[in-house]
Amino acid sequence: AQSVSQHNHHVILSEAASLELGCNYSYGGTVNLFWYVQYPGQHLQLLLKYFSGDPLVKGIKGFEAEFIKSKFSFNLRKPSVQWSDTAEYFCAVTPSGGYQKVTFGTGTKLQVIP
Amino acid sequence: DTAVSQTPKYLVTQMGNDKSIKCEQNLGHDTMYWYKQDSKKFLKIMFSYNNKELIINETVPNRFSPKSPDKAHLNLHINSLELGDSAVYFCASSQGPTTSATNEKLFFGSGTQLSVL
Repeated sequence: AQSVSQHNHHVILSEAASLELGCNYSYGGTVNLFWYVQYPGQHLQLLLKYFSGDPLVKGIKGFEAEFIKSKFSFNLRKPSVQWSDTAEYFCAVTPSGGYQKVTFGTGTKLQVIP
Repeated sequence: DTAVSQTPKYLVTQMGNDKSIKCEQNLGHDTMYWYKQDSKKFLKIMFSYNNKELIINETVPNRFSPKSPDKAHLNLHINSLELGDSAVYFCASSQGPTTSATNEKLFFGSGTQLSVL
């Protein structure tokens, strides 16, 4: 079975700082990868996804993630964070193809200080 | 000692049947959720309960009925199952409901893969 590790549980940044949230997974086969975000007062929504092709994936609100197969990683990045990026971020993985359960990481709480 | 546990993990059933998926959390949380992972593997909120009261009810067919006998349990009952109900259903919980002032961390169950034949 697959698993996901998010090493940063709580990250505090000042506005305009650069962000990188780590995500590592364990699975021997081909995977689909996701980052979900939960903003205060809202429910979980998809930030970006990787299914195949270009390993550098761009999502909403200036976020991007890079799939590095050799490192089993899918780190989330943003060059300059804003206060409105304060949220909980979840990395998720599923084996490719068919109906496969998504496995979530434990989440990283990002707090951006104005 | 699983924090959020769902049963069964896999459920295969015929069209037209009625089935239930159970969810229990031992975290002492007040809020529980049901999410559906659709065919594109994206998660969508279905329901949310806070202290046994329904607080979120997204556009879901009324064949789906959540039931919360106590705040540690949120079961999902589905009547007259249809092929399109095949999906993975995730239960989750949080300390309290997310509000504009707070962002309560979600804890997920491992999912129930429902296949309707």
